[in-house]
Amino acid sequence: KAGVTQTPRYLIKTRGQQVTLSCSPISGHRSVSWYQQTPGQGLQFLFEYFSETQRNKGNFPGRFSGRQFSNSRSEMNVSTLELGDSALYLCASSGTGGVGTEAFFGQGTRLTVV
Amino acid sequence: GENVEQHPSTLSVQEGDSAVIKCTYSDSASNYFPWYKQELGKRPQLIIDIRSNVGEKKDQRIAVTLNKTAKHFSLHITETQPEDSAVYFCASSGTSGTYKYIFGTGTRLKVLA
Repeated sequence: KAGVTQTPRYLIKTRGQQVTLSCSPISGHRSVSWYQQTPGQGLQFLFEYFSETQRNKGNFPGRFSGRQFSNSRSEMNVSTLELGDSALYLCASSGTGGVGTEAFFGQGTRLTVV
Repeated sequence: GENVEQHPSTLSVQEGDSAVIKCTYSDSASNYFPWYKQELGKRPQLIIDIRSNVGEKKDQRIAVTLNKTAKHFSLHITETQPEDSAVYFCASSGTSGTYKYIFGTGTRLKVLA
């Protein structure tokens, strides 16, 4: 079956703009998590959605938001972009098997803020 | 808050030698510990995982050990090969019932031929 798909793969935005990233999970998966990956910081948790509800949120400012649709597709939005928001944004989808079920990552969206 | 420390940040080994990466977690409620491998320009992929009710798990050349008392877990790769060169991330499940993973900062492993 198809893997996790993220679009777009690359984005260049200007400071102050906003951006929306999209993630389509593996068919049948209801959980989508988002992570920010930067050199030296590893993967930092942004938020997790399950059945259209945000279950967890990481320590990021309110400029970072997300949502999940009834088909489990998820979007992440960053408003008022800052240079420090430049990163690889990864989403991961998981099934409904409870904790201990593998999280499958997408290829990521590389965001560059200039 | 929840935290996972990972060491070392870089590791170089000769082909055929063993490599060990260590992680320490802070949340005593964590009960699932996956390890991900990320090759350059590619997505992280799960290579092995362990649950809190198990002390050790092996899969061919890869093994993971867990010490719940000390909140330590480690990845062991034996007979390393050049294709093992990548960045490895450990993680712990943050809170029960969700898929929030707290990741370590990664270890760049270089296997020298």
